[in-house]
Amino acid sequence: GENVEQHPSTLSVQEGDSAVIKCTYSDSASNYFPWYKQELGKRPQLIIDIRSNVGEKKDQRIAVTLNKTAKHFSLHITETQPEDSAVYFCAAPWGRAGNMLTFGGGTRLMVKP
Amino acid sequence: NAGVTQTPKFQVLKTGQSMTLQCAQDMNHEYMSWYRQDPGMGLRLIHYSVGAGITDQGEVPNGYNVSRSTTEDFPLRLLSAAPSQTSVYFCASSYDGAEQPQHFGDGTRLSIL
Repeated sequence: GENVEQHPSTLSVQEGDSAVIKCTYSDSASNYFPWYKQELGKRPQLIIDIRSNVGEKKDQRIAVTLNKTAKHFSLHITETQPEDSAVYFCAAPWGRAGNMLTFGGGTRLMVKP
Repeated sequence: NAGVTQTPKFQVLKTGQSMTLQCAQDMNHEYMSWYRQDPGMGLRLIHYSVGAGITDQGEVPNGYNVSRSTTEDFPLRLLSAAPSQTSVYFCASSYDGAEQPQHFGDGTRLSIL
């Protein structure tokens, strides 16, 4: 099956700094790469996603980059704020018709005021 | 529009008991899935369904059954609860597959004694 590795597992930044989280995947057939944010005790929520026909996508302070050749994709958060503190998960689809989603192990981001 | 609704929110079981976790969505989504999230870890796919009458196994299906008799409902059954099944269970749905944004329910926190 798909193997999704996520680094780092924890990340502490000062408010206003940038944060970068990287994921690598194994299934070269994967074409969709989402990022989810999970606040403590809450449900995961999609924050941004990218498809393999583009290399970068931005939404305000959040961006995702994709390198299909190297099989990795990254989440970039600029001008971090305390409310960005959460666990972030990457994911990639695999299996029959890409119908299974494998998640990375998560990155706990702490933004210090 | 309630989105994805999971019941119960909390449950404590004794080893060997059976129970059903309920999941319902009102978005007319074809794809539904169940994940478990163990402390400090990512989400692992238990079972998924691409439409009414169709279910398939995910990464960790042992000890769980599912059915999909309607588009709206996707219950997860624990056949004989074991302490290793202590976890938070999330149901998710999407328009038509894993390569679409997943909408998660609030989760069911399950403890097996």
